[in-house]
Order: sequence, then C-alpha cells, then structure tokens
Amino acid sequence: GAGVSQSPSNKVTEKGKDVELRCDPISGHTALYWYRQSLGQGLEFLIYFQGNSAPDKSGLPSDRFSAERTGGSVSTLTIQRTQQEDSAVYLCASRYMGQETQYFGPGTRLLVL
Amino acid sequence: LAKTTQPISMDSYEGQEVNITCSHNNIATNDYITWYQQFPSQGPRFIIQGYKTKVTNEVASLFIPADRKSSTLSLPRVSLSDTAVYYCLVASGTYKYIFGTGTRLKVLA
Repeated sequence: GAGVSQSPSNKVTEKGKDVELRCDPISGHTALYWYRQSLGQGLEFLIYFQGNSAPDKSGLPSDRFSAERTGGSVSTLTIQRTQQEDSAVYLCASRYMGQETQYFGPGTRLLVL
Repeated sequence: LAKTTQPISMDSYEGQEVNITCSHNNIATNDYITWYQQFPSQGPRFIIQGYKTKVTNEVASLFIPADRKSSTLSLPRVSLSDTAVYYCLVASGTYKYIFGTGTRLKVLA
C-alpha cells in the first residue's frame, strides 16, 4: 500500500510569509507525528496527534507554529511569519494503533530566504 | 525529559559487526526503544524495536539491559550500503518522542 506522503516536497519562501505543509498518513494509522530536521542535525519532535487531538503542543518551537488534523487523516503544519531559522526538513510519520513503529514520509524541505 | 545520546560517528569495514549504543535515562516504564536508519534526503526507516532483553530480526539485533537505560543496535557483517545515520527513538513521558543525536556510520571497503 501507499506510504506516508508529504507535500510540497520542496518549498522556498520569503521571510515573513506563511507556509502550510501537508501530511497524508498511511490509511488506518491513527497516530501522526511531526518532526523537524535542520541541516546536518538530528530529529526534533514537534507534535503528536492521536486521532484529531494533539494532547501536548509544547514541542512546537514558537507560537508561529500550529498544526491540525482533520478526519483522523490529513494533517497540516502551518508556520506563520516564517524566519530564516525555520529552514529545515519537516518530517511526518504515522503509526497504527497498538504498534510502536512509526513510518516516515520523505519530508518537506523548507527554505526561508 | 529523557536525554538520549549516541556516538557521533563510527567507521567500520565491510563484513564486520557494528555495535551502536544509545543511552536513554528516564525512559518511561511502558515505552519501547526503536532504531531507525536514515539515508541522505530520505525519511528515517525502521530497523528494529524492543522493550527488554534481546530482539533479533533479519537485519539487526537489539540488546537492552535490565535497567533499560541504554540499548545497543548490532549490525552483523555490514556492507557499503549500510553507510547511513542511525537513530534511537524513545518516548519520553507522555506524548513526547525523543530521537537520539544520531550516529553516522561509514562502512569502508
């Protein structure tokens, strides 16, 4: 079956603009995660959804970041008033309830000029 | 929150066994330890997962001591295609997921 997909695959934007990143999880996966990976760095956890609910949003780097999930499926990560330090690869992962393995998408490469 | 640490890099030769250790203090009682492999410009890919003692699959083994404060990924007989970054992942408390710092493995011919 299809894996986790993310769009766009690449995004170049100007400082101060808003961007929206999309994640389509594997069908039937109830858990969804967002991570950020800066150039040459490790993976930073951002937020976790169980269904449409995110129990803890404290992992989001600032109040410019928000995320939502609708219908227990697609999720969007929105970054408002982008800054150059937001440049990174944003990775999405999903997991089937009852299992621990997360399946990752290819990521969205965001470059803020 | 748990802090996970790994060696930054390792070199090995083809055919050797490679062991990568991850230290994870404050791991939650019910949480599993998972290892991922990441190639450049790709998302992480699942390798192996365990809770305690030893787990083995077709590509790797995972050793977890009784206190679960560390885990060791063992790759038998590595090849050039195993050159990648390896991450351990543990859940830390509720709703937070902490990746290790990553170990860059370079396999030499």
